[in-house]
Amino acid sequence: GAGVSQTPSNKVTEKGKYVELRCDPISGHTALYWYRQSLGQGPEFLIYFQGTGAADDSGLPNDRFFAVRPEGSVSTLKIQRTERGDSAVYLCASSLTGAVAYNEQFFGPGTRLTVL
Amino acid sequence: ELKVEQNPLFLSMQEGKNYTIYCNYSTTSDRLYWYRQDPGKSLESLFVLLSNGAVKQEGRLMASLDTKARLSTLHITAAVHDLSATYFCALQDSNYQLIWGAGTKLIIKP
Repeated sequence: GAGVSQTPSNKVTEKGKYVELRCDPISGHTALYWYRQSLGQGPEFLIYFQGTGAADDSGLPNDRFFAVRPEGSVSTLKIQRTERGDSAVYLCASSLTGAVAYNEQFFGPGTRLTVL
Repeated sequence: ELKVEQNPLFLSMQEGKNYTIYCNYSTTSDRLYWYRQDPGKSLESLFVLLSNGAVKQEGRLMASLDTKARLSTLHITAAVHDLSATYFCALQDSNYQLIWGAGTKLIIKP
């Protein structure tokens, strides 16, 4: 596709449940990023992939959060035992590559997660 | 810890007026981004500023970067209603991670 896509666009779940959020980056982009955006705030970095490996997962809030990118393209963010505080918009971005001086990130439309 | 502060956080203005949004940051960097976000939508890249003194303009928006002052500005000239949105600045740290300001919600009244 022309841009970054994310599915689902909305996800409502109950506290304690498991959820998976999917990101399909721009074709050819080797770098992929997950961010979380709470209402009225800027995005908060979660994790960065370069190819298949997580180059930096320092933003993941705790061990309930995990992300994979097994073939270096599509990525899945997984949240176990969801809590109400996990409710936010989860944004995915991709860039042509990671560690270069100029690295513009292109964002998907986000997945709005609501934990009841 | 790298911090990015925007002000104002909220701005209501009349069409035709000029205004400036400020973005201050706490550590040296020469890669600063401005993004626009419409309600319920994702982030649209507006400008990438790469070096001290960089100035970029697109339509009624102009962004500048002063790395010595650790300050970027987004200037709006003769505002129109279509520019109503939330504007974010973000600083690129360690070559990949973006550190974001809280955003400036801009409302332009006809």
